[in-house]
Amino acid sequence: QKEVEQNSGPLSVPEGAIASLNCTYSDRGSQSFFWYRQYSGKSPELIMSIYSNGDKEDGRFTAQLNKASQYVSLLIRDSQPSDSATYLCAVGGSQGNLIFGKGTKLSVKP
Amino acid sequence: EPEVTQTPSHQVTQMGQEVILRCVPISNHLYFYWYRQILGQKVEFLVSFYNNEISEKSEIFDDQFSVERPDGSNFTLKIRSTKLEDSAMYFCASSLVQASNQPQHFGDGTRLSIL
Repeated sequence: QKEVEQNSGPLSVPEGAIASLNCTYSDRGSQSFFWYRQYSGKSPELIMSIYSNGDKEDGRFTAQLNKASQYVSLLIRDSQPSDSATYLCAVGGSQGNLIFGKGTKLSVKP
Repeated sequence: EPEVTQTPSHQVTQMGQEVILRCVPISNHLYFYWYRQILGQKVEFLVSFYNNEISEKSEIFDDQFSVERPDGSNFTLKIRSTKLEDSAMYFCASSLVQASNQPQHFGDGTRLSIL
């Protein structure tokens, strides 16, 4: 059974700070990793994808991947109250499906 | 920006009844998916669909469930003889190709409530 684990939080950070969200996965053969944002009662919204070891930056967001440690993270710089949401880590399965973690709830305090 | 659309946004049904959830994927996408999310739990894969047939399904997707692409635009999920535990958000997603590195784009979901 392929698993994706996340700390459920809540993670609380002050406005302007860096939020760090972490995820581990069980399948060493996984090749693709995604971060989705989900506001309460809404659908998952794709933020970042990452496929190679190292960092990938997009605006205020940086995804980090370490395949040896089976670890992927998301950094949000200059956090805003509008970033308050649940962040879902997803790993691409062998048949194209996504395997999701339970998500980390982020709260950015003004 | 093109998007996946789902109808209805909320469906209330008596236990034992059949429901059909509808999705219009992004127009040039070829691969379609259904996921569900029980309240407070993680998003779970149900089924993937390509070229008018199921390409992969999870253990959740048993004989109670079926999918269909009745025309060139709609993609439906049918749940027969609904149970209380079928209450969840159901999300449709689509991607241009089916590969583990292809992002999937989600619709807004249908909230299914079984009474």
